[in-house]
Amino acid sequence: DAMVIQNPRYQVTQFGKPVTLSCSQTLNHNVMYWYQQKSSQAPKLLFHYYDKDFNNEADTPDNFQSRRPNTSFCFLDIRSPGLGDAAMYLCATSRDAAWPQHFGDGTRLSIL
Amino acid sequence: KQEVTQIPAALSVPEGENLVLNCSFTDSAIYNLQWFRQDPGKGLTSLLLIQSSQREQTSGRLNASLDKSSGRSTLYIAASQPGDSATYLCAVNNNNDMRFGAGTRLTVKP
Repeated sequence: DAMVIQNPRYQVTQFGKPVTLSCSQTLNHNVMYWYQQKSSQAPKLLFHYYDKDFNNEADTPDNFQSRRPNTSFCFLDIRSPGLGDAAMYLCATSRDAAWPQHFGDGTRLSIL
Repeated sequence: KQEVTQIPAALSVPEGENLVLNCSFTDSAIYNLQWFRQDPGKGLTSLLLIQSSQREQTSGRLNASLDKSSGRSTLYIAASQPGDSATYLCAVNNNNDMRFGAGTRLTVKP
């Protein structure tokens, strides 16, 4: 089945040690999104790519970066993770703005 | 800035009961509204999408309505089952700017 795949499901990193989360899709969708969701809170949009066009949310910290080398893959880089960055990170795709978003199972990031 | 509110934050009902979850938003300039289900520790599963020009969508025991002018949506679940226990999130979309509510945590007791 076509789907959105996030790896790894669980990631543990040390305070200040760079970490990369990955997302791949077989849907051939134009748009890929990254969200941060902390416990019992709403998912918060960090940024999205429309094809290769990168769109950053105004309040996304500079510590968070993203790469989309091709249609299928998108990466979230956290350059110097702090304790406050521990969260579930969700990747989603959609064909276009007016179409539904499809989510992966998320990566739960823990910071030691 | 769009704000999305979901009431109640938590709901517990006996099996078989019909129930309504509420979602309100402050800016009516939206492309669409989407309802999701989230199980503990998992990602989001899309349930229903309502385009801004539509009034409601149905899928099985689920019915979602949209009143854009008043900034409200409801998710109706008929004949609830224990397997419906999860957190239900609504999200409003305006040109790839997706804003979520904090969700309603539903428990259906056998």
